[in-house]
Amino acid sequence: GENVEQHPSTLSVQEGDSAVIKCTYSDSASNYFPWYKQELGKGPQLIIDIRSNVGEKKDQRIAVTLNKTAKHFSLHITETQPEDSAVYFCAASNQAGTALIFGKGTTLSVSS
Amino acid sequence: KAGVTQTPRYLIKTRGQQVTLSCSPISGHRSVSWYQQTPGQGLQFLFEYFSETQRNKGNFPGRFSGRQFSNSRSEMNVSTLELGDSALYLCASSLSTGPGNTIYFGEGSWLTVV
Repeated sequence: GENVEQHPSTLSVQEGDSAVIKCTYSDSASNYFPWYKQELGKGPQLIIDIRSNVGEKKDQRIAVTLNKTAKHFSLHITETQPEDSAVYFCAASNQAGTALIFGKGTTLSVSS
Repeated sequence: KAGVTQTPRYLIKTRGQQVTLSCSPISGHRSVSWYQQTPGQGLQFLFEYFSETQRNKGNFPGRFSGRQFSNSRSEMNVSTLELGDSALYLCASSLSTGPGNTIYFGEGSWLTVV
């Protein structure tokens, strides 16, 4: 079935360092790839998304890259800050585009 | 612009009971989806509604059901609750259905089954 693998499951960085989270997906028909940030006790917050006709997208300190051939996509956070600490989820749309398949999440800890 | 609103935020139910959760999507959004989040299984898709019709359903038993009203508001119901149904239930909305629609989540309803 459709599957999204996310790595690493935990990531600890020093403030100011960069953080990279990687995901792979199984369904070649997936064409929408959002990233969500979830803080304790809250719902997932969309931070950036990319569609299959684009290879890279950037929004201030956050960037996402997509390699459709390899079925990989990655989240890059530069100049990390303590408030970036949270659980990050990648997702890929299912074939019908009516549901998201989520990775298991990455717990990012940024220490000052 | 108000986000996705879910009620109640927290509830405790007993095994065998049923529960109804409510969701109001972002104004103008016509698609509503529901997801279950647990520590073990992560975020899993339950179902999606658009124009009061269920468009897609995840791999959950028939005890899980939902509906959407003409104003796009949605409810989900879980009957004959089991301990394993304890989870964060998340509602999400998007402008329309189909590939590429940006999906926004609410804060969720925390359900504990005892």
